[in-house]
Amino acid sequence: EPEVTQTPSHQVTQMGQEVILRCVPISNHLYFYWYRQILGQKVEFLVSFYNNEISEKSEIFDDQFSVERPDGSNFTLKIRSTKLEDSAMYFCASSELGHGTEAFFGQGTRLTVV
Amino acid sequence: DAKTTQPNSMESNEEEPVHLPCNHSTISGTDYIHWYRQLPSQGPEYVIHGLTSNVNNRMASLAIAEDRKSSTLILHRATLRDAAVYYCILESGNTPLVFGKGTRLSVIA
Repeated sequence: EPEVTQTPSHQVTQMGQEVILRCVPISNHLYFYWYRQILGQKVEFLVSFYNNEISEKSEIFDDQFSVERPDGSNFTLKIRSTKLEDSAMYFCASSELGHGTEAFFGQGTRLTVV
Repeated sequence: DAKTTQPNSMESNEEEPVHLPCNHSTISGTDYIHWYRQLPSQGPEYVIHGLTSNVNNRMASLAIAEDRKSSTLILHRATLRDAAVYYCILESGNTPLVFGKGTRLSVIA
């Protein structure tokens, strides 16, 4: 069964450093998403991406965040200058047609900022 | 900001059916009802979704009230592996899925 894969599974970084979280969505999917989940809290929407541009973003997704689909297969989330409060699980998801279709989530990247 | 209401937690005995309720009284005509679950230490996992009619798949059944203001996720035979947080989510247009707190299902052997 096709799946969304995320790398790395765990990333430790120093405060102020840049990190790039990588995702390979399911190959025929057109809609891509990043979510995060701080330990013990809800899954929070960050950004959605369609047709090579951001279609929607939340208040969390400020100027320190960016997304890119550099080569038609990978979908990356960059955090420019990490803060302690960025420590969370980051989940990538993709769906084939957006509205009315299921989203498939990756297993997540645990980001720890020290 | 979640548009659905679910009980915080529920408990079930193994091998018995489980009915997880969800209220969504402000649903509009084009909103899909989605159910996802999150097993411990894993990413959310799609369970089922529907618009107006009841739906069945290999994982579960979705019963949608006639007025669409509530729905019930039915696990026909709970196993220990079904212990998870279950999220009922309304999808409006092309807006992304918004997760609430969900229902934490415990399954007792």
